[in-house]
Amino acid sequence: DIQMTQSPSSLSASVGDKVTIACRASQTITTYLNWYQQKPGKAPKLLIFAASSLQSGVPSRFSGSGYGTDFTLTISSLQPEDFATYYCQQSYHTLVSFGGGTKVEIK
Amino acid sequence: QLQLQESGPGLVKPSETLSLACTVSGGSIRSSSQYWGWIRQPPGKGLEWIGSVYYSGVTYYNASLESRVTISLDTSKNEFFLKLNSVTAAETAVYYCATWGMTMGIVWGQGTLVIVSS
Repeated sequence: DIQMTQSPSSLSASVGDKVTIACRASQTITTYLNWYQQKPGKAPKLLIFAASSLQSGVPSRFSGSGYGTDFTLTISSLQPEDFATYYCQQSYHTLVSFGGGTKVEIK
Repeated sequence: QLQLQESGPGLVKPSETLSLACTVSGGSIRSSSQYWGWIRQPPGKGLEWIGSVYYSGVTYYNASLESRVTISLDTSKNEFFLKLNSVTAAETAVYYCATWGMTMGIVWGQGTLVIVSS
């Protein structure tokens, strides 16, 4: 099975800050990496698929990068509606796996 | 637009079987490019993949649950199902049905809270 490790598990930031979240796979997944945002009481929302492709309707302040085992989600200028928990997920293997999540809180 | 909707009991007794159904609209579970499956999230915790089924009926399960879980599909009704045996209180969670492919992200149902309690 492929293990996904996210860091940090939580962070505090202010509106307007640039935020970076890392995700590492235990083996290569090329670009089969997706990012989700989840708010309380809601299903996760797809932000980025295939490591760097922005899902339709998602603001351009969100971006993804990486290849192989190391990936990054960047929010270029944090907005009030971006305070949420973020998860990475690999779709390389038929046995799906998620990172542990990163909670972005207001400083 | 592809939509998924979970249904089933919201309360299950410990040691009994949790059974959920997922109705798919706006797409066909006969699609050869997608997997159909279940993901759960205990209150305040992260996401756990339970397992998935391909249109051919081939299944894939989380190794930690494999001995207790069955996922199946009914192509005539465009539905798929989850059965999890011998549940415990620790398996209280929101259960999501979902679909994905290698080159697409997960499309989620709205989720259903299942409480395991006597």
